[in-house]
Amino acid sequence: SQTIHQWPATLVQPVGSPLSLECTVEGTSNPNLYWYRQAAGRGLQLLFYSVGIGQISSEVPQNLSASRPQDRQFILSSKKLLLSDSGFYLCAWSQSLAGGLGSPLHFGNGTRLTVT
Amino acid sequence: AQKITQTQPGMFVQEKEAVTLDCTYDTSDQSYGLFWYKQPSSGEMIFLIYQGSYDEQNATEGRYSLNFQKARKSANLVISASQLGDSAMYFCAMRLPWSSASKIIFGSGTRLSIRP
Repeated sequence: SQTIHQWPATLVQPVGSPLSLECTVEGTSNPNLYWYRQAAGRGLQLLFYSVGIGQISSEVPQNLSASRPQDRQFILSSKKLLLSDSGFYLCAWSQSLAGGLGSPLHFGNGTRLTVT
Repeated sequence: AQKITQTQPGMFVQEKEAVTLDCTYDTSDQSYGLFWYKQPSSGEMIFLIYQGSYDEQNATEGRYSLNFQKARKSANLVISASQLGDSAMYFCAMRLPWSSASKIIFGSGTRLSIRP
């Protein structure tokens, strides 16, 4: 069966420090991968998505970046965190479109990031 | 631009009553998929139900059904016989396959509270 691992679960970082959140998927190949951010009590904002190794689509221009160095690994990074980067970050995967439109997102447990 | 709108920030419902959560969407694509997710206070995202744009029948999954009205661009979630465990945030989402390379966007969510 497929599983998704996301770490760390919580993170407190000072303003101006770097960030690296990692997400890996097991049990499937060539998944679509996604990073979302959720502000407290709010909806999910799509940050990045990827349909293959090295293929990253950015939705929101900001100081965050994403990379996909391997088929089932997705990394969210920042060189210098801002206070506004605080939030709940969720990684997710779905089957590629070859699996049909109905392939749902499967989410990791999320990382709660507090920038101080 | 593609957009998901959930106009009910919060709802209170008596246990055992049915509840309808509203969702409208905007896209010029003819082919798309619509999803509903549940997010309990723990933060995990739980997939509930899916409706394809070409599906003629409304989707059903146990106590969940989707009232799909394509001409109105609405995809409301109906929960029958609500239970205390249904208290959570609910998100409507849309998958856009062709013009946006498998992008999946979410609405702002509805917080549902079930009263005993």
